[in-house]
Amino acid sequence: DIVMTQSPNSLAVSLGERATINCKSSQSLLYRSNNKNYLAWYQQKPGQPPKLLIYWASTRESGVPVRFSGGGSGTDFTLTISSLQAEDVAVYYCQQSFSQTLTFGGGTRVEIK
Amino acid sequence: QVHLQGSGPGLVKPSETLSLTCSVSGDSISSYGYYWGWVRQPPGKSLEWIANIYYSGSTYYNPSLKSRISISLDTSKNQVSLKVSSVTAADTALYFCARARSQRGSVHFDNWGRGIQVTVSS
Repeated sequence: DIVMTQSPNSLAVSLGERATINCKSSQSLLYRSNNKNYLAWYQQKPGQPPKLLIYWASTRESGVPVRFSGGGSGTDFTLTISSLQAEDVAVYYCQQSFSQTLTFGGGTRVEIK
Repeated sequence: QVHLQGSGPGLVKPSETLSLTCSVSGDSISSYGYYWGWVRQPPGKSLEWIANIYYSGSTYYNPSLKSRISISLDTSKNQVSLKVSSVTAADTALYFCARARSQRGSVHFDNWGRGIQVTVSS
């Protein structure tokens, strides 16, 4: 299985400041024939199911605020919240689909400092 | 707007079979290009993918669970079902049904049900 490792486990950021979450995969997620990274990001608020934010590592899902952006390629990826809002308090997960066995990262909890 | 509603027993005894159903509205489970799947989340832990089934009926299972799980479509009822046999306490989790889009080979879950809490205990 492809192992997804997120860091940090949690972070506290002041309102309006930048939050950056890292996700590292145990093997490359870049599918060379189409130059797409098979990496998605989700946001899960307390008591709710996950919500898709980003796919192909950097493509924002429809309706997701522009303050959320994804970057990286190969084995190293980031999710950035450019200006943290109160409603962004949540746990964030990365997920790979390069392998048929889909796997998620351990999650990163984002809180307000 | 697609809506997924999961249902099933909240409590299952060890060694029994867990049966879960996901009723889908606002979309047909036979829609081209979509997978329907199950993901679970043990208390306080991360997400674990269980299985997907393609609109055509092709199935994909997590190898760590494959010997105990079965996923199926009921197109007449627009439902997706999951069975987990020989359950243990390790199967205690919040079970989500979800729709996944397949785009250029990538598979990502774009719609989720609210989750079904399942506890395995005698």
